[in-house]
Amino acid sequence: KAGVTQTPRYLIKTRGQQVTLSCSPISGHRSVSWYQQTPGQGLQFLFEYFSETQRNKGNFPGRFSGRQFSNSRSEMNVSTLELGDSALYLCASSLAFSEQFFGPGTRLTVL
Amino acid sequence: KQEVTQIPAALSVPEGENLVLNCSFTDSAIYNLQWFRQDPGKGLTSLLLIQSSQREQTSGRLNASLDKSSGRSTLYIAASQPGDSATYLCAVVGNTGNQFYFGTGTSLTVIP
Repeated sequence: KAGVTQTPRYLIKTRGQQVTLSCSPISGHRSVSWYQQTPGQGLQFLFEYFSETQRNKGNFPGRFSGRQFSNSRSEMNVSTLELGDSALYLCASSLAFSEQFFGPGTRLTVL
Repeated sequence: KQEVTQIPAALSVPEGENLVLNCSFTDSAIYNLQWFRQDPGKGLTSLLLIQSSQREQTSGRLNASLDKSSGRSTLYIAASQPGDSATYLCAVVGNTGNQFYFGTGTSLTVIP
């Protein structure tokens, strides 16, 4: 069974640009969550989608948005990038309220 | 808001030693608790999931326990090996949503 995949794995952007990250969950999983990991803040929850609906949202500015498609694949978009957005972005998939499986992450560097 | 704490932040042990990692959380209304390991620059690998109704789970050399009433979980690693070196994270999910609250992790080094 294929695991969670994330693309791209590495990304370099400059301040002010926008970026879109993609996550493909494990087949059959309808819940996809996104997390930001930085050395200073640790792992912080961004949002969770289930069956194309955002169910939960963390405490991040509106520049961070996401969506989920009918095949459960999810995208996360960050607009007007700031230096502080440099981080490892992780997505996780699960059946509802069960064990979460994480992808390898996308390393975003903002210059 | 749920807060998750892991102690110690770092641990260094000789190979073969048994060890315990601790995780505490402030709100006992959790749905489940999950332990992960993370290698540098990589994603998280699920180790064990404990449902709120369970007291412990075992997988190979790993045993995780959960005491919901006291807001504590421990991860026991038996006969540690250098390959166990990684950061170990615990995370809890509340009853109201599929949102994980993560601890800050314990960085484990097993010395050959």
